[in-house]
Amino acid sequence: DQQVKQNSPSLSVQEGRISILNCDYTNSMFDYFLWYKKYPAEGPTFLISISSIKDKNEDGRFTVFLNKSAKHLSLHIVPSQPGDSAVYFCAAIGGGSNYKLTFGKGTLLTVNP
Amino acid sequence: DADVTQTPRNRITKTGKRIMLECSQTKGHDRMYWYRQDPGLGLRLIYYSFDVKDINKGEISDGYSVSRQAQAKFSLSLESAIPNQTALYFCATSEPRGLAKNIQYFGAGTRLSVL
Repeated sequence: DQQVKQNSPSLSVQEGRISILNCDYTNSMFDYFLWYKKYPAEGPTFLISISSIKDKNEDGRFTVFLNKSAKHLSLHIVPSQPGDSAVYFCAAIGGGSNYKLTFGKGTLLTVNP
Repeated sequence: DADVTQTPRNRITKTGKRIMLECSQTKGHDRMYWYRQDPGLGLRLIYYSFDVKDINKGEISDGYSVSRQAQAKFSLSLESAIPNQTALYFCATSEPRGLAKNIQYFGAGTRLSVL
């Protein structure tokens, strides 16, 4: 059973517009959420995170929103740039584990010039 | 230089062969992990180690073994490779939870093909 779901395998946006990547989770014990970005031939790199005690965290062009009642989080990228084109993974930690990241399947974001 | 280094970056081997993937880190982290990624799937945890004397199975450890030779080195072995172990393998490190945001830092990956 997949505990972290990214239901959109891909997303295409125009440069300068907003990119919104979505993630749903089923385990209510998750208490920390992370977004990773992955370019081809590279490992995932940490992008931004949010604790379950918050509903928003912002870092430059990247903002993550958490809706605990809906078990949903989203990553907003504004404005989107061609260099943002990558696979984005949502991950969660908690639920009795203090080490295990549970990953979604990823969303391929393409930002068109 | 990369903080988390994986060797080799690419490997092609035959069914039944023993193969070792190596990981070294300069971040000084105690915790190290091995993941695999298959097309269209997220990363799945194979093994993890919280320190040199601590080795634990992850969710998909069958067919794999590991060795933590030092704080900085964590190797993954396939004793007898099979084709469904063809995947992208990642090593990661982190500090103990509670110290620094639970962030795991990944190497660039090893692409393994088992023929």
